[in-house]
Amino acid sequence: GIQVEQSPPDLILQEGANSTLRCNFSDSVNNLQWFHQNPWGQLINLFYIPSGTKQNGRLSATTVATERYSLLYISSSQTTDSGVYFCAVISNFGNEKLTFGTGTRLTIIP
Amino acid sequence: KAGVTQTPRYLIKTRGQQVTLSCSPISGHRSVSWYQQTPGQGLQFLFEYFSETQRNKGNFPGRFSGRQFSNSRSEMNVSTLELGDSALYLCASSLYPDTEAFFGQGTRLTVV
Repeated sequence: GIQVEQSPPDLILQEGANSTLRCNFSDSVNNLQWFHQNPWGQLINLFYIPSGTKQNGRLSATTVATERYSLLYISSSQTTDSGVYFCAVISNFGNEKLTFGTGTRLTIIP
Repeated sequence: KAGVTQTPRYLIKTRGQQVTLSCSPISGHRSVSWYQQTPGQGLQFLFEYFSETQRNKGNFPGRFSGRQFSNSRSEMNVSTLELGDSALYLCASSLYPDTEAFFGQGTRLTVV
């Protein structure tokens, strides 16, 4: 099945800093989503972005489908941005299920 | 509109028992998927239902089963619980398979 790798696994930043999270995937995809998992476990939708660029406030994402990667940018980080960020994809081929990466744990220090 | 609702939120069961978890999708959504999240294995796909039919099944033993009703609500059942079944179980709903998925708050199951 499709492989999804996220980097870095852990990121510790000072409040106000900017960050870039990366998601690499091994096959063509027709669905790519970024999620933020809150402390209670719920996955919060950030972006649905199988290709192109989107922005939502301090967050933006870019997916380059032909090169099989996606980037999530967080600017002017706040402590509430802390948590685990997941990338998940659905491959064009094989079983059409959402496959998750292992996540990036972001810690924002005041 | 209301999001994805999972019940119960927390559950403690004894080894050998069985458990049923429920998921009500977003109104109008017809696809429901289930995932298990553990610290060691991450987020793993359990199964997906669309229009009351199971479309996909992950690599889990037969003790894990599910179903979807005509109103798109879904249940998953785990029989003969093992300690390793302790996990956060997440349900996702989407309009159709392969479209944007929205997750519920999860059910945290502890097996003792």
